[in-house]
Amino acid sequence: DSGVTQTPKHLITATGQRVTLRCSPRSGDLSVYWYQQSLDQGLQFLIQYYNGEERAKGNILERFSAQQFPDLHSELNLSSLELGDSALYFCASSETGGPTDTQYFGPGTRLTVL
Amino acid sequence: DQQVKQNSPSLSVQEGRISILNCDYTNSMFDYFLWYKKYPAEGPTFLISISSIKDKNEDGRFTVFLNKSAKHLSLHIVPSQPGDSAVYFCAASVGFSGSARQLTFGSGTQLTVLP
Repeated sequence: DSGVTQTPKHLITATGQRVTLRCSPRSGDLSVYWYQQSLDQGLQFLIQYYNGEERAKGNILERFSAQQFPDLHSELNLSSLELGDSALYFCASSETGGPTDTQYFGPGTRLTVL
Repeated sequence: DQQVKQNSPSLSVQEGRISILNCDYTNSMFDYFLWYKKYPAEGPTFLISISSIKDKNEDGRFTVFLNKSAKHLSLHIVPSQPGDSAVYFCAASVGFSGSARQLTFGSGTQLTVLP
């Protein structure tokens, strides 16, 4: 158990809909990362937050947005969903978000878009 | 464009023998490399890392080798145990500085250790 929690575990929705994925980092960690893993693909970095502020942005679509709240939990919002958005979405956290930090991953949310 | 490649989707090894997992990268700016292990229904777990100033890092049964000229790294597990059966991801990052570290992952190799 990494200490990172993600809800829900599974989400099934239809094209065009909007969903919110939630992540609670490990106690004491200030930085949160979001990754997407599509079928047979490696994890693709989406975005990173540190203490409520966006720190780095990867291949995140404009239809996707994220935020980190004062209590340090984070939410990833996916809108106008397409079939290709079906994937595993992982959240990770680290102490400071710096280059020497180890990232601890949650168990993921499996999103299925029908 | 896949900057980090794991060309073997799967590998089977007998218990007690050595497992060698390989990873190639194309971005010469990468200067920090990591291996993660993933069991089904769990998130990836950090295993071992190496910075580009080294060519070898060891932690118990796990050793990572880095060949910068070939842009190649490998993970050796000796001896392999059935509990090592998992998907192994190679990852790399740029910029060993105070700024954020964005990881680029390979597609993973499923290791099966046979009893």
